[in-house]
Amino acid sequence: DQQVKQNSPSLSVQEGRISILNCDYTNSMFDYFLWYKKYPAEGPTFLISISSIKDKNEDGRFTVFLNKSAKHLSLHIVPSQPGDSAVYFCAASYGGTSYGKLTFGQGTILTVHP
Amino acid sequence: NAGVMQNPRHLVRRRGQEARLRCSPMKGHSHVYWYRQLPEEGLKFMVYLQKENIIDESGMPKERFSAEFPKEGPSILRIQQVVRGDSAAYFCASSPPAGVGLQETQYFGPGTRLLVL
Repeated sequence: DQQVKQNSPSLSVQEGRISILNCDYTNSMFDYFLWYKKYPAEGPTFLISISSIKDKNEDGRFTVFLNKSAKHLSLHIVPSQPGDSAVYFCAASYGGTSYGKLTFGQGTILTVHP
Repeated sequence: NAGVMQNPRHLVRRRGQEARLRCSPMKGHSHVYWYRQLPEEGLKFMVYLQKENIIDESGMPKERFSAEFPKEGPSILRIQQVVRGDSAAYFCASSPPAGVGLQETQYFGPGTRLLVL
């Protein structure tokens, strides 16, 4: 049962353009969402997060949008840079007895071409 | 400003041996999590610990796997009698104590890559 899905295995973007990475979830109890970037042979690096009480959070070039009714979130990177090339994972969690457990999507490989 | 530390970075074991993976959380963090990433897959939650307590072990295989986070020292993920299917990257994450009703971001270590021959 894949509760968090990233349906695009890969995305290719030209440097300077916008990268949009998408993520869908099925569990309506999720109330906290995160995006991580991962390079090969390294651990995931935290990028940005959003609570379910918001629909947008911005940090520099990174913006996360949350559409609770559609159970969908997206990460926008503007402008994209070659150094952004990595695997991007979305993750979700909820409180109560499951506090602390992150459920990850399968990841999207982003390639930014110079 | 040391991040989450994991050692060893690479570990090779023969079938039937034991594997011990260590994780030191970031300074000031009291929550530790272990995740496993199989080839071509996302990360899967295994266990969530606080000092001397297992909070959630719903992702741990029922046999051969155990985890601890003692009062002193690093958190340990122990795999007994390893099999080839245990070959994976094991990641540790940590987070600070949370306020009531708050979610806290988890920060990950570089991982331990376990290869079972």
